[in-house]
Amino acid sequence: EDQVTQSPEALRLQEGESSSLNCSYTVSGLRGLFWYRQDPGKGPEFLFTLYSAGEEKEKERLKATLTKKESFLHITAPKPEDSATYLCAVQAGAGKSTFGDGTTLTVKP
Amino acid sequence: GAGVSQSPSNKVTEKGKDVELRCDPISGHTALYWYRQSLGQGLEFLIYFQGNSAPDKSGLPSDRFSAERTGGSVSTLTIQRTQQEDSAVYLCASSPEPLNYGYTFGSGTRLTVV
Repeated sequence: EDQVTQSPEALRLQEGESSSLNCSYTVSGLRGLFWYRQDPGKGPEFLFTLYSAGEEKEKERLKATLTKKESFLHITAPKPEDSATYLCAVQAGAGKSTFGDGTTLTVKP
Repeated sequence: GAGVSQSPSNKVTEKGKDVELRCDPISGHTALYWYRQSLGQGLEFLIYFQGNSAPDKSGLPSDRFSAERTGGSVSTLTIQRTQQEDSAVYLCASSPEPLNYGYTFGSGTRLTVV
C-alpha cells in the first residue's frame, strides 16, 4: 500500500527565514509526485509534478526536489502570503493519488 | 468551465436522510476524482472515474456511498442514510488524463450531519 509521510506537521517561520518541508514516500513504481497548496476553506491548488529522482521544479519562492525516497519543498525568503498547508501526493498508476497529511506553514511578518 | 465547480458549498442534513453532491469538472478532463477531508485530516480517496466508468471505487466507505458520472462530465456522489461520521468536506477534482497530471480541485462541499 502506498504511504506518504510529511514532516513537520506545523512550521512557524519569520518572514525571510528560509526552510524546507519533507515528504517521505513508499510506493511501488512511482509515476509522479505532486505538491499542492491548500488555503483554509478551499480545495488544494496544484503546484508541481516531479517524475524521477534528481528532478527539480521552481516557482517563485518555492523549489521542489525529488530523491528515490523523499521530496523536499524548499521555501526561500518566505512572505506571510506563503502561509498555507502544503500537501504532497504520490501516484503509482492511472487514477488515484495518495496524499500525506500536510505541513501547515505560518509565516509571521 | 474555467474551474471545477461543486454544489452545494454547504449542506446540513439530518441523520438518516439521503444527500447528493454535485461536481462539474473542467471541460475536456477525462479523469474525475472524489476525496473526503475530515477536520484537520488528510485527503481520503473515495472513487475515480475515467470517462463514465469507475475503474477504482475502492475508497467508498460503505454501500451507503455511490457515485456516477454522465456524459463524461458531471458527477454526483450520493450518500444514503447519512450518519454523523459522514460529516466532512467532500472534494472533487479533475485532470486531463488519469496519469502524470496534477489535479484541479473544486472548493468542496462541507457536509454536516446533525
